[in-house]
Amino acid sequence: DAKTTQPNSMESNEEEPVHLPCNHSTISGTDYIHWYRQLPSQGPEYVIHGLTSNVNNRMASLAIAEDRKSSTLILHRATLRDAAVYYCILRDPRDDKIIFGKGTRLHILP
Amino acid sequence: DTGVSQDPRHKITKRGQNVTFRCDPISEHNRLYWYRQTLGQGPEFLTYFQNEAQLEKSRLLSDRFSAERPKGSFSTLEIQRTEQGDSAMYLCASSSRDRGTDTQYFGPGTRLTVL
Repeated sequence: DAKTTQPNSMESNEEEPVHLPCNHSTISGTDYIHWYRQLPSQGPEYVIHGLTSNVNNRMASLAIAEDRKSSTLILHRATLRDAAVYYCILRDPRDDKIIFGKGTRLHILP
Repeated sequence: DTGVSQDPRHKITKRGQNVTFRCDPISEHNRLYWYRQTLGQGPEFLTYFQNEAQLEKSRLLSDRFSAERPKGSFSTLEIQRTEQGDSAMYLCASSSRDRGTDTQYFGPGTRLTVL
């Protein structure tokens, strides 16, 4: 399974943008980049995914490097409710399970 | 869409007892997954079903673990002769493969404590 590397933790101030990095130098051509997050005492929830082009949705934006060896999840205006563990995951469409790493624990400072 | 539900939310049991957890997926989803999560770690895949067929099992799923999905609706995960090492959060997720991206929607989990 292709692996991702994320910082263990990050801090950000409330109402400021947050950029969560992810390195995936061994990504294959068919791997999609997915992000999930897990709020305290809850199951993971889907945030966003992409293949090559940058993606936007109501929760976040995903910026994918041209060589696809890294990506960045962008929260445009962090709130206290965004404090969570964020997982960057590579998924081959032929593989059904999700392989989670340890993720990045995001702390939001009021 | 009422989301994925799991029951119970918490279970405390003594070592050696059997426990059973239930997962109700989103109604139109044909795939159902079980994961286990220990403190400070990401969830680990255990097994999954497409409709009623169990298609893959992790080597983490020892002989003491069994999962079923009768009629392709809800699923149960049973652990026999529980051990302290089984203490974890057990997460269920569902998805609809027909919808291409196979986004998995997770339930709130069942936290198991084995004394």
